[in-house]
Amino acid sequence: RKEVEQDPGPFNVPEGATVAFNCTYSNSASQSFFWYRQDCRKEPKLLMSVYSSGNEDGRFTAQLNRASQYISLLIRDSKLSDSATYLCVVNSRAGNTGKLIFGQGTTLQVKP
Amino acid sequence: DVKVTQSSRYLVKRTGEKVFLECVQDMDHENMFWYRQDPGLGLRLIYFSYDVKMKEKGDIPEGYSVSREKKERFSLILESASTNQTSMYLCASSSEVAGTSYEQYFGPGTRLTVT
Repeated sequence: RKEVEQDPGPFNVPEGATVAFNCTYSNSASQSFFWYRQDCRKEPKLLMSVYSSGNEDGRFTAQLNRASQYISLLIRDSKLSDSATYLCVVNSRAGNTGKLIFGQGTTLQVKP
Repeated sequence: DVKVTQSSRYLVKRTGEKVFLECVQDMDHENMFWYRQDPGLGLRLIYFSYDVKMKEKGDIPEGYSVSREKKERFSLILESASTNQTSMYLCASSSEVAGTSYEQYFGPGTRLTVT
């Protein structure tokens, strides 16, 4: 089983749609979780951290479910500029130490 | 703003050549990382360093070595380049103590082609 698994997509949605991505992780002791965004031919950039209580940043909401070991990202009112690959990222050891493990990414294509 | 720079955006080398990829960060970060990214495989960690002169193997260190003589600089070395090392190479850095632990900042990447 991969340490971090994501549905690669692509997710093709119209502008204004709401879209959700899920990601599962295998290490139950992991404490740090992130969503990164990667545009075509560009480097990954942090989109948001994922906190136990869930967090929201404008149109983006991240949730963590420790019992089921999954993380979600919800994008409301999709814009053309949201088209990118979204990487789920988890730290590899207990607590906040260790390397980060990146999922393969979920590709989102927002159409006019 | 954190800035991570890489010496080249595109590089073409021949099989058997020794290749140096340089990475510099300007935020006094303790941690530096080298990844490669391939379609369908995602980001894979090659080597990382928690301090000057310290290095640890990542998931795919074979065929690579690294050097960290100064805190701001982390070099990736391909001792004898092979065609299966054709890839996008990404450098990243992170702070040891951060509000969001281990948030990594990436350089723009070097697309290496080995012919």
